[in-house]
Amino acid sequence: AQSVAQPEDQVNVAEGNPLTVKCTYSVSGNPYLFWYVQYPNRGLQFLLKYITGDNLVKGSYGFEAEFNKSQTSFHLKKPSALVSDSALYFCAVRDRMGQGGKLIFGQGTELSVKP
Amino acid sequence: DSGVTQTPKHLITATGQRVTLRCSPRSGDLSVYWYQQSLDQGLQFLIHYYNGEERAKGNILERFSAQQFPDLHSELNLSSLELGDSALYFCASSVDPGWTDTQYFGPGTRLTVL
Repeated sequence: AQSVAQPEDQVNVAEGNPLTVKCTYSVSGNPYLFWYVQYPNRGLQFLLKYITGDNLVKGSYGFEAEFNKSQTSFHLKKPSALVSDSALYFCAVRDRMGQGGKLIFGQGTELSVKP
Repeated sequence: DSGVTQTPKHLITATGQRVTLRCSPRSGDLSVYWYQQSLDQGLQFLIHYYNGEERAKGNILERFSAQQFPDLHSELNLSSLELGDSALYFCASSVDPGWTDTQYFGPGTRLTVL
């Protein structure tokens, strides 16, 4: 079965410090990986995706993610955190086993950035 | 703003009732996906439609049904509601169901069953 795991329920970072939100995956074949962010009372906003090619993917709002095949990881990173980055972050993998290509989500990581 | 719209934003109803949630995809998108977000289950896929036809079903209860109309908007019908159906319901759209295509999410409908 295909899955993603986010090992940390919560990540706390001081404003201006680098942040990392972790994600590991388990898939058959090449993974198609996504990061979304959810602000309170809002929908999910797409940040970035890895399909193929460069292992460092750049996305919206200064976020980037590093794909590591040997460690089966796709960690989300930002060099300098902002208080406004505080939100719930979801890693997801595209389901390539069934029809339709649904997203399979991790349980989410709450990011808190303090001034 | 993703371009995906959902109505209503909030819905409060009683057990045993039936509700309809509506989703309009981004202009040009043919695929609509429905997801349920709850505290205990997280984000779970419900159902996928592509250009009016059902493509895949996930953990969708028999009390739930959906359809996609010729104008590509979609409706999710929830009947015989139970307390446990209280959740955020999201729809997402994409141009096609390809594996590399990005799904863009609407703001969601928060359903509260009392």
